[in-house]
Amino acid sequence: DQQVKQNSPSLSVQEGRISILNCDYTNSMFDYFLWYKKYPAEGPTFLISISSIKDKNEDGRFTVFLNKSAKHLSLHIVPSQPGDSAVYFCAASAPLDSNYQLIWGAGTKLIIKP
Amino acid sequence: DGGITQSPKYLFRKEGQNVTLSCEQNLNHDAMYWYRQDPGQGLRLIYYSQIVNDFQKGDIAEGYSVSREKKESFPLTVTSAQKNPTAFYLCASSRPSGLSYNEQFFGPGTRLTVL
Repeated sequence: DQQVKQNSPSLSVQEGRISILNCDYTNSMFDYFLWYKKYPAEGPTFLISISSIKDKNEDGRFTVFLNKSAKHLSLHIVPSQPGDSAVYFCAASAPLDSNYQLIWGAGTKLIIKP
Repeated sequence: DGGITQSPKYLFRKEGQNVTLSCEQNLNHDAMYWYRQDPGQGLRLIYYSQIVNDFQKGDIAEGYSVSREKKESFPLTVTSAQKNPTAFYLCASSRPSGLSYNEQFFGPGTRLTVL
C-alpha cells in the first residue's frame, strides 16, 4: 500500500514557465514533507521541506504548498530552467515512533524544454 | 568537506557471488540507511541503523546483510540469495534529534550489475 503517491511519472514544461509537481499521501500521521531532486546516476539532494503546521514554504524559485485536508502537496518551480530537468521525489515523515524513516513516492521526471 | 562516499561507483558481479558495497560518512550522523532504486520506481529501504551495533530490516531486506561496527561506516553485502540484485544502491545518513522530521543526505550511489 503506497502511502506517498506521485501519480505523474513525467512532466514536460517550457523553459521560463511554471512547473507544478504533485504528491498525495494517505497517512494522516505524517507531519513533515520533503522534496528531493535527483539526476541520473547520482544520489538525491534535498530541495525544500514543509512542516504540517504550515501551508506554504518558499525558497527562491521553489515553493511547496501543503493542503492537509486533501492530503496533498505540490512543488512549484518558477521560472523553470534547463537545469531543473531531473527526477523529483516527494517524501514524508511521521513522528519519532517511525524510527526516523522517510516514506518515498515513486518520483516524477521533469523535462524542461528550451 | 563533510559528506557521504560510496564505492565503487560501478560494480559487476557474477551470479552466485556475494559482494559488499561500501558507505562512509564524516557528517557525525547517528543514523544510516541503504536504499535500492530500480528504473521507474522510488527508493525502497533495505536496512537502516540508528546507532552503532544496531540495525533493523527495511521493506526489502531479504538477500542483504549489513553491519554497523563504526559510526561512520555502514557496509551492505548483497548475497547470492538476492534473486534480482541488479540495481542502483544508495546510502544515506541523518542526524535524528528531538524534532520529528528527518532530512537525509545521500551518497552518489553504486550501480551493481549481475552478469
